[in-house]
Formats: sequence, C-alpha cells, structure tokens
Amino acid sequence: QSVLTQPPSVSAAPGQKVTISCSGSSSNIGNNYVSWYQQLPGTAPKLLIYENNKRPSGIPDRFSGSKSGTSATLGITGLQTGDEADYYCGTWDSSLSGGLVFGGGTKVTVL
Amino acid sequence: QLQLRESGPGLVKPSETLSLTCTVSGGSISSSSYYWGWIRQPPGKGLEWIGSIYYSGSTYYNASLKSRVTISVDTSKNQFSLKLSSVTAADTAVYYCARRIFGNYYLDYWGQGTLVTVSS
Repeated sequence: QSVLTQPPSVSAAPGQKVTISCSGSSSNIGNNYVSWYQQLPGTAPKLLIYENNKRPSGIPDRFSGSKSGTSATLGITGLQTGDEADYYCGTWDSSLSGGLVFGGGTKVTVL
Repeated sequence: QLQLRESGPGLVKPSETLSLTCTVSGGSISSSSYYWGWIRQPPGKGLEWIGSIYYSGSTYYNASLKSRVTISVDTSKNQFSLKLSSVTAADTAVYYCARRIFGNYYLDYWGQGTLVTVSS
C-alpha cells in the first residue's frame, strides 16, 4: 500500500492528452514539492518533473505538472508511442515515520 | 556527465546480509549540495525508498527498514554503500542508487539498477 495514490493505468490514442493524478495528505503533498518520474520498460526511473511543475533540461514541454492542496497531476500532451511507460509521483512525508515516498505507479498505454 | 553504478552480489541467502556499493563518477560525492540514496523495486511492483546519506555521514532511513539498514559513505573512493541484514524473499528487488538535491526531495540522477535475489 503506497502512501501516495495513483490510478493503476491510463490510456489514449497517439496525439491525445492524458493526465495522471497523485493523491496524498497534508503531511506529504500538502506541504512539500512533488516530483514525477518516467520508467520505460526495463530501465531505471528518470526525473520528469521537479518542484511541482519544473522540467529538467531535455524534457519536452509536452510534459507538465501541477499541484493543488494535497493532490498533484502530471499531464502529457501529443501522446507518442515512446511515452508508453510507468509514471511515479514522489515527495517527502514529514510525519514521524516519514521519508521519501512514492505513488504506486501508473501505466500509460498508447492505443 | 554524472554517472552512478551499483555493484554487488546478485544472489543472497535468506537471513544473510545484502551488501551493495554505488560508485559515483563525473562528480564528487563530497559536494555539500547533494544527498545520496538507495531505492528498491520488487519485480512488477513500485518504488520504495530505503534511505539517504550526506557526505558527512548523516543518514535518513525508511522507518519500516531502519532496524535492518545501514548506509555508509567512503569519500576517498567516491562511493556509498548499503547493507540490509536478515534478508528474506520479500527483499528480492532491483536496487537503485540515486542522487538527491540537498534541501529538496527529488532524485535527479539514477544508477541503472541491480537485481538482487534472495534465495537459498
């Protein structure tokens, strides 16, 4: 059971848009920045979004992030077959047993 | 370009200690700007943070693993290491090392990962 809640899967046709939600609480998302990671099949996770909505160098602007209250959202526009991957949200949990926490991951399928 | 590479045994017996090392190249592990950490991913499952260490030796551990985990740093070799004791089959996973920005909580560089199987 992950601390952050994500939908197991989302899908859309090429060129369309998908959004992935990440729900948490006041001890994590509500008071800390959110990051997003893309994990292509058989590879290590890669940083996609940091500090809620910032993109590292080399990440296309088709990927966007936002945060409101205790939830965050990753958006992917102009969906491509190469975007098929697992996506994870992450943040810091400030509770007594806290630490770096992740969502359970969302599989994006391009139809 | 910063690179991280995990190394260590791919097979560990139940009840024994899992030991992995992460070698950092293209940058100094002694920088005050970063933490260095371990994350694992059981086959077919999600990511789990294990813990982080600062170059000074200061550590943070996942509360659920804290009693079994030790992370250490060797600045002379530009390496940091993970020890997980009393392993069971539930500890079978791909283990990743990664860099975290000091004062923030995102992981900007990851190693390729190494699969550790716990089996007799």
